[in-house]
Amino acid sequence: SQTIHQWPATLVQPVGSPLSLECTVEGTSNPNLYWYRQAAGRGLQLLFYSVGIGQISSEVPQNLSASRPQDRQFILSSKKLLLSDSGFYLCAWSWASGMYNEQFFGPGTRLTVL
Amino acid sequence: KQEVTQIPAALSVPEGENLVLNCSFTDSAIYNLQWFRQDPGKGLTSLLLIQSSQREQTSGRLNASLDKSSGRSTLYIAASQPGDSATYLCAVRRDGTSYGKLTFGQGTILTVHP
Repeated sequence: SQTIHQWPATLVQPVGSPLSLECTVEGTSNPNLYWYRQAAGRGLQLLFYSVGIGQISSEVPQNLSASRPQDRQFILSSKKLLLSDSGFYLCAWSWASGMYNEQFFGPGTRLTVL
Repeated sequence: KQEVTQIPAALSVPEGENLVLNCSFTDSAIYNLQWFRQDPGKGLTSLLLIQSSQREQTSGRLNASLDKSSGRSTLYIAASQPGDSATYLCAVRRDGTSYGKLTFGQGTILTVHP
């Protein structure tokens, strides 16, 4: 079976500090990977998706970036955090092919920028 | 631009009631629709996925219907239990590509009290 991990679970960072959130998937190969942010009152917003190693597509311009150094590893980064980066960050995966393309979500990382 | 609306925003019911959660979307040209459950501080759990060609899907006490032409979906929960308390989110997929973007509603917060 497939499992998706995220860490850390919670993070408190000062404004202007760097960020690195990690997501890994087990039990599948060549998955599509996604980063979402859930902010209070704004719903879930897709930030990045990746269909393969080194292939990143950005949905929303911001001071965040994503990388996929390995097949089942997806990293969300920032060089300098803003207050507005606070939120709940969710990683998700889906099969690279197939009819339904159901997305499966990880446990999330709660980020608070002070 | 696709917009997804969920009504009601919050719902409180006594245990044992049958209930209906509503989801509407502005662009009927969708590929599929997915219902999720989110417990406080946790990630999303996929409940049901309905393809655009389908009318409904069932899983246990849950039944989801889809009327693509009118831009509506409903999630029916039979014989509600306190353990059903959570936020329920619907999301529509724009197209059939494997990385097709999901657009989420704001969710319905369900409380089932004993």
